[in-house]
Amino acid sequence: LAKTTQPISMDSYEGQEVNITCSHNNIATNDYITWYQQFPSQGPRFIIQGYKTKVTNEVASLFIPADRKSSTLSLPRVSLSDTAVYYCLVGRTGGFKTIFGAGTRLFVKA
Amino acid sequence: GAVVSQHPSRVICKSGTSVKIECRSLDFQATTMFWYRQFPKQSLMLMATSNEGSKATYEQGVEKDKFLINHASLTLSTLTVTSAHPEDSSFYICSARDLLFRAGGIDEQYFGPGTRLTVT
Repeated sequence: LAKTTQPISMDSYEGQEVNITCSHNNIATNDYITWYQQFPSQGPRFIIQGYKTKVTNEVASLFIPADRKSSTLSLPRVSLSDTAVYYCLVGRTGGFKTIFGAGTRLFVKA
Repeated sequence: GAVVSQHPSRVICKSGTSVKIECRSLDFQATTMFWYRQFPKQSLMLMATSNEGSKATYEQGVEKDKFLINHASLTLSTLTVTSAHPEDSSFYICSARDLLFRAGGIDEQYFGPGTRLTVT
């Protein structure tokens, strides 16, 4: 399983765009990149998933360069409620296990 | 979206007793469920992979006789913490993947809300 590295924490202000980068140098050909959000005392919640280039949904964008050794989660115009821990996971789809890294603790200030 | 429930959400038990936590996929079937534990301010740690109709696969360092996992149906997995001790106090989270996931689609894990176990 590919190991992921993310910044431990980030601070931002309301209304700003936040970019969280995840490094996964050992990503395999069949691996997808998935990001989850977790609030205290809750289970993680799916944000976005991608394999290459750019993926966008109503919540975030995911940028993946051609070598796929890193990925960047982009949260547009964050609000206080986006304060949470964000996890980048790398692994195969279809029921295979995935391992959580340390995650990035994002703190959004007013 | 798909929903995974856990019961109970919070449990306090005395040291030496056993506690069972249920994980249910409410509107989809899951041949595979995962059990995690999470200590305060730490990441989720995968404990085991629960397979419907077969034995669970435990991660290294997780005692299979202490953490009994049963995946009796396509919508239910249970985790029993046997002879619980204060060091077993933690937040236990399960997740499931949809049996009907199709290659090329989005494959997300659906997580339960977690169970807070406190052993006194």
